[in-house]
This record gives sequence, C-alpha cells and structure tokens, in this order.
Amino acid sequence: QKEVEQDPGPLSVPEGAIVSLNCTYSNSAFQYFMWYRQYSRKGPELLMYTYSSGNKEDGRFTAQVDKSSKYISLFIRDSQPSDSATYLCAMSASKAAGNKLTFGGGTRVLVKP
Amino acid sequence: GAVVSQHPSWVICKSGTSVKIECRSLDFQATTMFWYRQFPKQSLMLMATSNEGSKATYEQGVEKDKFLINHASLTLSTLTVTSAHPEDSSFYICSASRAGVFNEQFFGPGTRLTVL
Repeated sequence: QKEVEQDPGPLSVPEGAIVSLNCTYSNSAFQYFMWYRQYSRKGPELLMYTYSSGNKEDGRFTAQVDKSSKYISLFIRDSQPSDSATYLCAMSASKAAGNKLTFGGGTRVLVKP
Repeated sequence: GAVVSQHPSWVICKSGTSVKIECRSLDFQATTMFWYRQFPKQSLMLMATSNEGSKATYEQGVEKDKFLINHASLTLSTLTVTSAHPEDSSFYICSASRAGVFNEQFFGPGTRLTVL
C-alpha cells in the first residue's frame, strides 16, 4: 500500500463547476500538506500549503485537512479551462527546509468550456 | 521570487553517451535540491536529495554511479546521466528548498531526455 493515495482520474467537469480533489494517507506523522498543479510537460507549481488540521482559502482554492481521518482535500470554485492540469498532493512530517516530500500519484482534471 | 530553471529543456542523445542537466535557483539560495524522475502520466519519483557541499543521498533502487549529482554552490546542482540507455528516457525535474524557510519545494520546468 502506498503512503499517499490519490485517484488518478481523469476528472472531467464543465466550466464553472466546483472541482473536488482528495488524498488519503497512512503515515500519522505527516503534519504539513501541500497541493501542486502540474501542466503537461512542465514542473509542478505550488498552490496551497497547510499545517495540521483545518481549512485554508486562497482565491478560488480551498484546502482542507482532516488529520483524524488522514484525509486532505482541495476544492476549486468557478473552474476554468485553464485549471485543466494534474493536481498532486504532497506531505511531510517535518517543516525543516530540505525535508523530502511524499507525493500522491496525481489527479488529472479536465475543465470543459 | 523562488524561480528555478533547468537546462536543457529537451535533449536527445545516443545510447552510451552521458548527459548533464543543470538546475539553478535564480533568485534565492537553495541549501537543498531534489532530483525527480517522472514517467508519462505518473507521479514524481524522488531520485536523490542534494545538499550544497556534500554528497547526495540517493533513494533506494537509484544507481548513484549512473546518476551523478553535484551540488557545488547554493544556486546550482547538476545531474549527469552516465552511459545513457533508452530505458533512461524520461522527464527529469529538479526542485529546491530555500534555506531557513518551510519545506516547500520550488520546481524547475523539467528536462525531457530521449536516448536513442
């Protein structure tokens, strides 16, 4: 079993819909959670960074962490075709710079105009 | 801020030759850089962690003699694929962590390697 599980998709939604993404994990030591967006043949781009349980909102993006369930989510409101990409969750037990991240497999999202 | 570049973005080489990929942090000092490999429609696979001025730490199953990593300065790390073979064809991505800040990693745009 992988440490971090993520549905590969593809997840297809119409423009304007809410995109709901999630990851489950098994390592209870994880405390720092990130969401990255990766366009085809490009490097990942950091979208959201959260610590421990709770919600964080940034524009159209909302990240949720439920440590008791070992479950994290990312919601994208008012989705646009430009949101079509692969979304990767990542997590770490330590906040120390240089600490390696554990990634999910990524979910491919298609937003249709 | 926090821009990472990679060079080249795309390289084709013949089997048996060596290829060097550069990773640079353009506007910050990176004490740690990471090298990943990514196959089509798959997630990132960490190959090694590189700290400035010291030997890289390789993940299990990654041949350190085949994938040579050098982190000679706080802004530059290089990955050399030695005696490349077609199975080494992949997308190689580096990332960098800023010194003294949280463990967020900033990724380069990636290098596509094709070995003929």
